[in-house]
Amino acid sequence: DTAVSQTPKYLVTQMGNDKSIKCEQNLGHDTMYWYKQDSKKFLKIMFSYNNKELIINETVPNRFSPKSPDKAHLNLHINSLELGDSAVYFCASSHPGTSGRQRQFFGPGTRLTVL
Amino acid sequence: AQSVTQLDSHVSVSEGTPVLLRCNYSSSYSPSLFWYVQHPNKGLQLLLKYTSAATLVKGINGFEAEFKKSETSFHLTKPSAHMSDAAEYFCVVSEPNTGTASKLTFGTGTRLQVTL
Repeated sequence: DTAVSQTPKYLVTQMGNDKSIKCEQNLGHDTMYWYKQDSKKFLKIMFSYNNKELIINETVPNRFSPKSPDKAHLNLHINSLELGDSAVYFCASSHPGTSGRQRQFFGPGTRLTVL
Repeated sequence: AQSVTQLDSHVSVSEGTPVLLRCNYSSSYSPSLFWYVQHPNKGLQLLLKYTSAATLVKGINGFEAEFKKSETSFHLTKPSAHMSDAAEYFCVVSEPNTGTASKLTFGTGTRLQVTL
C-alpha cells in the first residue's frame, strides 16, 4: 500500500491559473512537508505542518498556500501560476519520535508544468 | 546554519567496480545525515541514515556510508556497482529535532551513471 500519495502525478496548466496538489499519508505521522525540486534537481523545503499547525514556512511567495484539513492530509494550493513555478513538488511525512532524528517518507512527486 | 556539499555532480563507473559518492556537511549541531536516491521520474527513497550511533552505517542495496567528524564528511560507497544503481543521489543533513519537525537541507545531487 502506498505510504505517501500525491495527486495528480502530472499537472499542465496555463500561466495565471490556480491549481491544487493533494497529499495524503497513511503512516499515522504527525508532521507533513512540501518540497520543491527545480529543473536542476535541487530540492528545497517549502512548508511543514504538525497536527494541522504550520511550523516551517520558508521564503515562499504568498501565492502558495498549504492547507491541512487533518494530520493525514496536506494540500498545496497555488494562485496565479507563473512560469517559474514549473517544478516537481514532493510531499513528505515524518513522526517526531523520541530520538529526534526522524527520517522523512516521500511521495512520488507531482510534475507541474506552467505554459 | 547547516549545509551540504556534494563534490561531484556526475560520477560514471563500470558495472562491477566500486562506487564513491562524496559529501561534506556543515552544521552547528551534532547532525543527522541521510542519503536518498531518486531513480528517473520516481520519488525519493532512503538509502541510509546516521543519527549519532555507529559511524559506519549500512543501508539498502549494499550501500554504506562512514561519518567522519574530523573531516565533516559522509561519503557513500558500494563495493560493486550494478546497472540498477544508476540514479540521482542526494546527501541530506537535518537540524536537531524541535519536537515536531526536522528541517532537511539537501545537497545538489550526484548523478551516478553505470556502464557495461
